[in-house]
Amino acid sequence: SAVISQKPSRDICQRGTSLTIQCQVDSQVTMMFWYRQQPGQSLTLIATANQGSEATYESGFVIDKFPISRPNLTFSTLTVSNMSPEDSSIYLCSVGPEAFFGQGTRLTVV
Amino acid sequence: EDKVVQSPLSLVVHEGDTVTLNCSYEVTNFRSLLWYKQEKKAPTFLFMLTSSGIEKKSGRLSSILDKKELFSILNITATQTGDSAVYLCAPQSGTYKYIFGTGTRLKVLA
Repeated sequence: SAVISQKPSRDICQRGTSLTIQCQVDSQVTMMFWYRQQPGQSLTLIATANQGSEATYESGFVIDKFPISRPNLTFSTLTVSNMSPEDSSIYLCSVGPEAFFGQGTRLTVV
Repeated sequence: EDKVVQSPLSLVVHEGDTVTLNCSYEVTNFRSLLWYKQEKKAPTFLFMLTSSGIEKKSGRLSSILDKKELFSILNITATQTGDSAVYLCAPQSGTYKYIFGTGTRLKVLA
């Protein structure tokens, strides 16, 4: 299974600011995925990060709010922009058909 | 609309008990079903099920899929306190999208 490193592990941010989360994989993967888990809820797919093309967003998620980069086959970033308290969640990246997950980023917006 | 229902929502047992967790689903273009254990932030992969009636086992955990009746079960025998976690099932819809259930919260008492 792939080893996925995600950072930061946690952060507390002021509303109106942005946070960029990084996801590094120890092997080349075609597709990387970003999920959100709001408090008490299950995981929801935000978008699929495609190398060399724009990310594919799920219904309810837009590029202006969650811009994604995928500069190569081992790395991706997710930015949470113009944050509000409603963005307080765990954000997770995953790879592979078995959807292995990184350690997650716990974001609190105050 | 894709739907995943896990039951029970929560469960409290004593060490040594056997538990059965249920996952029923309705997803378009079903491919497989995954089970995860989530203790803190990141879900840990347990099983991927693709064929009906074939039990997968890993130690005290086992799982089986019924594609005709659209459900899966996860069994844990001789439970230990370390099994306390939220267990998530995620049927795969299409090429890459996983639909996560809200999970079963298991607490094992010493």
